[in-house]
Amino acid sequence: GAGVSQSPSNKVTEKGKDVELRCDPISGHTALYWYRQRLGQGLEFLIYFQGNSAPDKSGLPSDRFSAERTGESVSTLTIQRTQQEDSAVYLCASSLPYGQPQHFGDGTRLSIL
Amino acid sequence: AQRVTQPEKLLSVFKGAPVELKCNYSYSGSPELFWYVQYSRQRLQLLLRHISRESIKGFTADLNKGETSFHLKKPFAQEEDSAMYYCALRTTGFQKLVFGTGTRLLVSP
Repeated sequence: GAGVSQSPSNKVTEKGKDVELRCDPISGHTALYWYRQRLGQGLEFLIYFQGNSAPDKSGLPSDRFSAERTGESVSTLTIQRTQQEDSAVYLCASSLPYGQPQHFGDGTRLSIL
Repeated sequence: AQRVTQPEKLLSVFKGAPVELKCNYSYSGSPELFWYVQYSRQRLQLLLRHISRESIKGFTADLNKGETSFHLKKPFAQEEDSAMYYCALRTTGFQKLVFGTGTRLLVSP
C-alpha cells in the first residue's frame, strides 16, 4: 500500500483482556514508531524500532505493554490485562532512517469497558 | 525532561485574517521542531520542519531559541486551513517525537 496501515481501526474489549494491535509500515521504511493519544492529549511516545538495532522501549508505560517487529516489516503492539486507562488511539508511524519525517497511520481506537 | 506547550486549545478566526498558532518548548540542547496537521477524517501529516525553512500552504514557522518558541504563522487564513495542529520536538540523538496537546484552528467564512 501507499501508506502506513493499522488494524483493527477500532477495538472494544473488556477490562482484563489482552489485545494485539498491528502496524504495516511503508515498504522500505526501516524505522517504526508507536505512539498513544489519550482523549484531549498530545501523542505520547511508546516504542521505536530501527532496523535490527535494539528497540527504544523508554516510553512503554508498564510491563503490560510490549511490542515486536520482525525485520523491517510488520509490528504488533500487545497490551496484557487491559485497564480502563489504556483506552486511547494507538498510532503507528514509519520513516526512512536517521531523522527522516515520520508518516503516520490512521490509528487504532481502543476502548476498554 | 523535554516538553512542548501549545497554550491554545482552540483558535477561531475569520477567512482572510492572520493566524498565529503558538508553540513553546523546553529543552536545553539543539532541538529539531516540527508542525504536524490533521484535517478532518484524515491522518496526521507533516506540515513543515524548521530545518527546511520552507513555506507550506502559506504557513511559515521560525525557530526562536532565545524565546524557545516555534510559532506557526499564516498571513491570510483560508477555510481549508481548519484542522488540528500539533507542534513536535525531536532532541539530539533520539528519534522519538515529543508532541504538544494540539490547537484546533477554525476558520470561518
